[in-house]
Amino acid sequence: AQSVTQPDIHITVSEGASLELRCNYSYGATPYLFWYVQSPGQGLQLLLKYFSGDTLVQGIKGFEAEFKRSQSSFNLRKPSVHWSDAAEYFCAVVNNAGNMLTFGGGTRLMVKP
Amino acid sequence: EAQVTQNPRYLITVTGKKLTVTCSQNMNHEYMSWYRQDPGLGLRQIYYSMNVEVTDKGDVPEGYKVSRKEKRNFPLILESPSPNQTSLYFCASSSGTAYGYTFGSGTRLTVV
Repeated sequence: AQSVTQPDIHITVSEGASLELRCNYSYGATPYLFWYVQSPGQGLQLLLKYFSGDTLVQGIKGFEAEFKRSQSSFNLRKPSVHWSDAAEYFCAVVNNAGNMLTFGGGTRLMVKP
Repeated sequence: EAQVTQNPRYLITVTGKKLTVTCSQNMNHEYMSWYRQDPGLGLRQIYYSMNVEVTDKGDVPEGYKVSRKEKRNFPLILESPSPNQTSLYFCASSSGTAYGYTFGSGTRLTVV
């Protein structure tokens, strides 16, 4: 069965500092991986996705993520965090059939002024 | 605008009173899913559908029903709601594995 682990439940960073959110997945085949962001009271917005090719993928809002097969990781990064980035971030993996999207528990990001 | 529309956004109901949460997408997506989000448990899949008249259980299907009579609509039915179904519900749709899912804005359900 596929699974996703986000080890950090809460992270606080200062505005302008760099950010890395960790994600580890378990899946038997080549994974299709996603990062979503959920602002308070909102739905989930797709930040970026990986399914093949270049292991460094670029997303919206200045985010990027790197797929490392040897470490079963798909960490999300941003060089300089803005106060508007405060939200909850979810890593997810979908099975090859595309019908089962499994989420990690989420990481809540707080941004200090 | 491409979107997934859920209604209602908020609903308070009483135990045992049947309710339906509607979900509609305008992107001609084959795949649709329902999730519930609970503190400490994250998002869990309730049901999914891979096309019209094709539905299957996700991780937490007990107490829920779905139907997919048209491609664009995927309603979630709680025939006898109970307080443990108080949650935030999301509908999502996708055109395929590599494309990711588009989510609705959510329905916050309270069962008293």
